[in-house]
Amino acid sequence: DTAVSQTPKYLVTQMGNDKSIKCEQNLGHDTMYWYKQDSKKFLKIMFSYNNKELIINETVPNRFSPKSPDKAHLNLHINSLELGDSAVYFCASSLSMRNTEAFFGQGTRLTVV
Amino acid sequence: AQSVTQLDSHVSVSEGTPVLLRCNYSSSYSPSLFWYVQHPNKGLQLLLKYTSAATLVKGINGFEAEFKKSETSFHLTKPSAHMSDAAEYFCVVSESPSANQFYFGTGTSLTVIP
Repeated sequence: DTAVSQTPKYLVTQMGNDKSIKCEQNLGHDTMYWYKQDSKKFLKIMFSYNNKELIINETVPNRFSPKSPDKAHLNLHINSLELGDSAVYFCASSLSMRNTEAFFGQGTRLTVV
Repeated sequence: AQSVTQLDSHVSVSEGTPVLLRCNYSSSYSPSLFWYVQHPNKGLQLLLKYTSAATLVKGINGFEAEFKKSETSFHLTKPSAHMSDAAEYFCVVSESPSANQFYFGTGTSLTVIP
């Protein structure tokens, strides 16, 4: 059983398109995250949700809209994709908001052409 | 403010020799510290974590790390490198009482030479 699963694993799309990445965790965790890993492998948080509520929104363009239909899911929708959006996006979850380790999905490699 | 500095972007060791990956952090509060490993085209896997208990932390695959508050360091070590250890390693800090957020170092790429 995969603890944190993301789909799709690879996504190639043209500039200007709208796309979504789905994330589900079966760990019963309260907190979920989206991280972006750039071409230099640096990871930076984009969003975090706790029990479906937005907690952290780190200066991400409003073309990125997270949606949490329930605490086991945190999807990422991206409008009007740009070349600079190409990266690996990681979903993660943690038991709670306070200093517990995060469990990461396998990542979604997004390529915008 | 929190930050993490991984002092080496690349480390190369021979198989069977010790591994040392260095990490320094800054934190305004009592931090939790983690090491994650990322194998090529794979997700991130937790190696070990420090959360204010024993300062010497043992993780998976023979790795361990020592929290040294006076030096603000959390270096990762392994006595004997294996070929399968070749990967990218990330040092991560998280601190209370703010909302949980993980700050990643820039990563250290470990090469193991046969």
